[in-house]
Amino acid sequence: DAKTTQPNSMESNEEEPVHLPCNHSTISGTDYIHWYRQLPSQGPEYVIHGLTSNVNNRMASLAIAEDRKSSTLILHRATLRDAAVYYCILRSGGSNYKLTFGKGTLLTVNP
Amino acid sequence: GAVVSQHPSRVICKSGTSVKIECRSLDFQATTMFWYRQFPKQSLMLMATSNEGSKATYEQGVEKDKFLINHASLTLSTLTVTSAHPEDSSFYICSARVPEETQYFGPGTRLLVL
Repeated sequence: DAKTTQPNSMESNEEEPVHLPCNHSTISGTDYIHWYRQLPSQGPEYVIHGLTSNVNNRMASLAIAEDRKSSTLILHRATLRDAAVYYCILRSGGSNYKLTFGKGTLLTVNP
Repeated sequence: GAVVSQHPSRVICKSGTSVKIECRSLDFQATTMFWYRQFPKQSLMLMATSNEGSKATYEQGVEKDKFLINHASLTLSTLTVTSAHPEDSSFYICSARVPEETQYFGPGTRLLVL
C-alpha cells in the first residue's frame, strides 16, 4: 500500500476551522483517499473518502490536490468532540479492500 | 453510516483459556470483515481478512491456529483467541466492508488475560 505522511499532532480552538494535512506522494491512479478518526477506547469512525474531486459531507470536507499527492481534511467548526486521532489512508481501487493504518494526527481542541 | 457491533465490549480471562469475540453487521450484509488489534499508544494492525463462506486470510506474523476466525454468515464473524496469554491482552476491533463504499468499524473489545 502507498504510504501517507501526517503531522503527529495538531491543536485548534473550539469553533474554529481545522485543516489536517496528509501527504501521499506515491499515490497511484486507482488509490482512494480515506479518512477515519478514533476517539480513545473506541473503534475508528469513518469520516470521508474521495478519489480525485473534492468531497463534502455532514462531518467534514476533503480537499484533494490536483496532482493527488496531498490532501486536506477540513473540519469547518471544531468542537470538543472532534478531539481524536485522525488517520489518512490510501486504499487500492482493486478488489483488495484492506486498510493500512499509520500513526495518524492527534488533534487537540481547546475550549 | 452502517452499524457494526462487537460482543463482548470487554473480557477478562485466565491464562490458557480461550475467548470468543463476535462481530456483527447490524443493518447490512458483509461478505468481507476484517480483524484488527491495537496495543496501547499504537495504531491499528490488521490481523486477518474474513470472507463469508471461505477461510480467512491472515497477515504475515499472525498465527492462524491461535486466532481462529469464522465467518459463517453475511452478518457475523467471530474471532477466537485460543490458549490466551498475557501478551494477547489488547484491544481487538473488527470492521465490515460495505460494497462500493468503505469499511465501518465496531466499537472494539478490550481483552485482558491474567
